[in-house]
Amino acid sequence: ETGVTQSPTHLIKTRGQQVTLRCSSQSGHNTVSWYQQALGQGPQFIFQYYREEENGRGNFPPRFSGLQFPNYSSELNVNALELDDSALYLCASSSGTGGLNEKLFFGSGTQLSVL
Amino acid sequence: AQKITQTQPGMFVQEKEAVTLDCTYDTSDQSYGLFWYKQPSSGEMIFLIYQGSYDEQNATEGRYSLNFQKARKSANLVISASQLGDSAMYFCAMREEPQGGSEKLVFGKGTKLTVNP
Repeated sequence: ETGVTQSPTHLIKTRGQQVTLRCSSQSGHNTVSWYQQALGQGPQFIFQYYREEENGRGNFPPRFSGLQFPNYSSELNVNALELDDSALYLCASSSGTGGLNEKLFFGSGTQLSVL
Repeated sequence: AQKITQTQPGMFVQEKEAVTLDCTYDTSDQSYGLFWYKQPSSGEMIFLIYQGSYDEQNATEGRYSLNFQKARKSANLVISASQLGDSAMYFCAMREEPQGGSEKLVFGKGTKLTVNP
């Protein structure tokens, strides 16, 4: 069983640039969520995709956008990067059963630094 | 208001001893779920244990148990027989009834556990 994989592992960008982060979900999972984890904080929910549709969004501006593909892999795009976007970006997949006890399986994240 | 509060930024424990990591939560929902995740330095969040709001028994998973006190809105993680590999960040998280289908988790700020030999 293949786990959640994210690429790249590290990325350095300058303010104003755009970035795309990628995530392959665990085999059999159709739901992908993205989280932003700033230094010293817990992860914060950005959005979730279920069967290629966004079905939930946290308190993030529209310059954070995403896609989910037919194979359930996903991209997170961030436009007009700001210094505060520097963080660990975590992708999580789940089987999409919708229960309260649904476990999320996380990747190791992409560490984004904005200079 | 914070939904998940972890008041211990750091904890130290001797190898083979037990340790309790505190978590309190805030919700007006009757139905919710509580999770604990471990985050080693590699960055990956690893699921440890789950407790549903209607579960009458405290959850256990191997060396991990959850001390669930619903009236006090607390869900403390107990790790028995600590091992050096338990050194990591630990996060408490809650899921409320999905809004529009989202399964989002709300996380606390975490507790850094250090296990000393």
